[in-house]
Amino acid sequence: EVQLLESGGGLVQPGGSLRLSCAASGFTFSSFAMSWVRQAPGKGLEWVSFLSGSGSGTYYADSVKGRFTISRDNFKNTVFLQMNSLRAEDTAVYYCAKTALVVTARFDDWGQGTLVTVSS
Amino acid sequence: DIQMTQSPSSLSASVGDRVTITCRASQSISNYLNWYQQKPGKAPQLLIYSASSLRSGVPSRFSGSASGTDFTLTISSLQPEDFATYYCQQSYSTPPTFGGGTKVEIK
Repeated sequence: EVQLLESGGGLVQPGGSLRLSCAASGFTFSSFAMSWVRQAPGKGLEWVSFLSGSGSGTYYADSVKGRFTISRDNFKNTVFLQMNSLRAEDTAVYYCAKTALVVTARFDDWGQGTLVTVSS
Repeated sequence: DIQMTQSPSSLSASVGDRVTITCRASQSISNYLNWYQQKPGKAPQLLIYSASSLRSGVPSRFSGSASGTDFTLTISSLQPEDFATYYCQQSYSTPPTFGGGTKVEIK
């Protein structure tokens, strides 16, 4: 059974930084791309970033490019999202997702999410 | 970016009703269209991929179809556990984009 467990969310001031983690189990981690998708309170889903199984290919939404960095540790079966220069509009629940790359990303399995609140 | 437009944004229906949700892509996406279900306070779950393929374990009352850039999710007989918000998503080009969601509520 695929399990994804996010951590690292919390309250941060505008301009601050936060690092999210997602621990994966139940599948061959290094064989799959991984993504982060976020959902602002009461809003819809927004893709943030994904990276390939090897970690060599990374992609970002324009809204986070240059501020967020996705990475992975295939020995620890963990994917990370380093978030810098945070803004109020980054406030959201952040989900990690096991991703199938069928042309681009399809989100096959999701974690329970971690809430990031950017506020002074 | 490819825009995905869902309609309606919400609907009220009764248990046993047939429910149809539509998603329109702003350009051709072949059949690279996926549907997700999200219940309140929970993570989304993949229901249908490639427009019409049912994910393993998903009840057969859910089905998907495509016609050009128009895609449809149908629930043949709505059950109490189906009251949720449904999102479409295109996986044809980066960035992957979602529709705005359709909230299915109890009448």
